[in-house]
Amino acid sequence: DQQVKQNSPSLSVQEGRISILNCDYTNSMFDYFLWYKKYPAEGPTFLISISSIKDKNEDGRFTVFLNKSAKHLSLHIVPSQPGDSAVYFCAATLGGYGNKLVFGAGTILRVKS
Amino acid sequence: DVKVTQSSRYLVKRTGEKVFLECVQDMDHENMFWYRQDPGLGLRLIYFSYDVKMKEKGDIPEGYSVSREKKERFSLILESASTNQTSMYLCASEAGGPNEQFFGPGTRLTVL
Repeated sequence: DQQVKQNSPSLSVQEGRISILNCDYTNSMFDYFLWYKKYPAEGPTFLISISSIKDKNEDGRFTVFLNKSAKHLSLHIVPSQPGDSAVYFCAATLGGYGNKLVFGAGTILRVKS
Repeated sequence: DVKVTQSSRYLVKRTGEKVFLECVQDMDHENMFWYRQDPGLGLRLIYFSYDVKMKEKGDIPEGYSVSREKKERFSLILESASTNQTSMYLCASEAGGPNEQFFGPGTRLTVL
């Protein structure tokens, strides 16, 4: 049973517009959430994170929103650029020893120029 | 600059062979992880280690073992490779606490 779900396998957006990637989770004990970006033939790279005590975190063009009551988080990219085309993984952790991350299946984002 | 390296980018092995995947990090991180990535399943944790000679099973440890003899090196071992272990294998390290994990470039393993 997947505890972290990314229900959209892919998303296509026009350059300059907003990209919204969604993620749902089932375990209310998760206390920290992260987004990773992955290009083909490369390892994932950390993008942005949010603690469960916050509802928003912003870093340049990237903003993550957390709705704890709905167990939902989203990543907003504004404006989207062709270089943002990649697979985006949502991840959550219970914290504690070893900081195990639970990943979603990923969403392929294509930004069209 | 942070760096995690993996011994091979591509590997082809035969069923039943013993396979070693090596990972080295240069950041003096405490924690190291092995994941496999499969389409539609995301990244799944195989094993992790929070100290030298310490290891913990992840979500899918069956058919795998690990070794951490030095802080900077974490090895994944497939004792007897099988075709269902064909996958992308990713190593990661982390300083500890709720910090981001740094990933290596991955090893694409094909078992024939």
